[in-house]
Amino acid sequence: GENVEQHPSTLSVQEGDSAVIKCTYSDSASNYFPWYKQELGKRPQLIIDIRSNVGEKKDQRIAVTLNKTAKHFSLHITETQPEDSAVYFCAARNDYKLSFGAGTTVTVRA
Amino acid sequence: EPEVTQTPSHQVTQMGQEVILRCVPISNHLYFYWYRQILGQKVEFLVSFYNNEISEKSEIFDDQFSVERPDGSNFTLKIRSTKLEDSAMYFCASRGDREKVKNIQYFGAGTRLSVL
Repeated sequence: GENVEQHPSTLSVQEGDSAVIKCTYSDSASNYFPWYKQELGKRPQLIIDIRSNVGEKKDQRIAVTLNKTAKHFSLHITETQPEDSAVYFCAARNDYKLSFGAGTTVTVRA
Repeated sequence: EPEVTQTPSHQVTQMGQEVILRCVPISNHLYFYWYRQILGQKVEFLVSFYNNEISEKSEIFDDQFSVERPDGSNFTLKIRSTKLEDSAMYFCASRGDREKVKNIQYFGAGTRLSVL
């Protein structure tokens, strides 16, 4: 089955700096890669996603890149703000089942 | 905006008891999922459900687990005889089949199950 690895497990950044989270996946058949943000005690919420036929996607301060050959994808958050503090999960989809990474706890220091 | 709703938000039960976790998916969605998240760990896939049958299940989803869509709106997860290690947050998710959004799974707020 699919195995998704996510790094780092924790990330502390100064407000205004960038944050980068990296994930690798094992199953070359995976073709869709969403990122979810989960605030404490709340549901995972989709923040951005990318399909395997696209290399990069951007939505305001967040962007995702995908390298299919290397089987890795990354989340980039620019100009971080305190409200970006949360746990971020990457996931890979194969046959509509999502396999999640272990999560990255992002703390934005004011 | 439509949401997936889950009840109860917190369920406390004794080991060996049966529990039913309830979910109301987004109304025009056709694909339903259960995931669980043990405290501090990753979200894990349990089962997917489409057209009134299980389409895929993980090794976690053993004979103690079952899912049902008893009517046109509810989607339930039953754990027949709970174990301590079943304590986790259980998330329901659903997705539609319209082309632009067919990949997106929308998650409920979760039910925290505590087995004592």
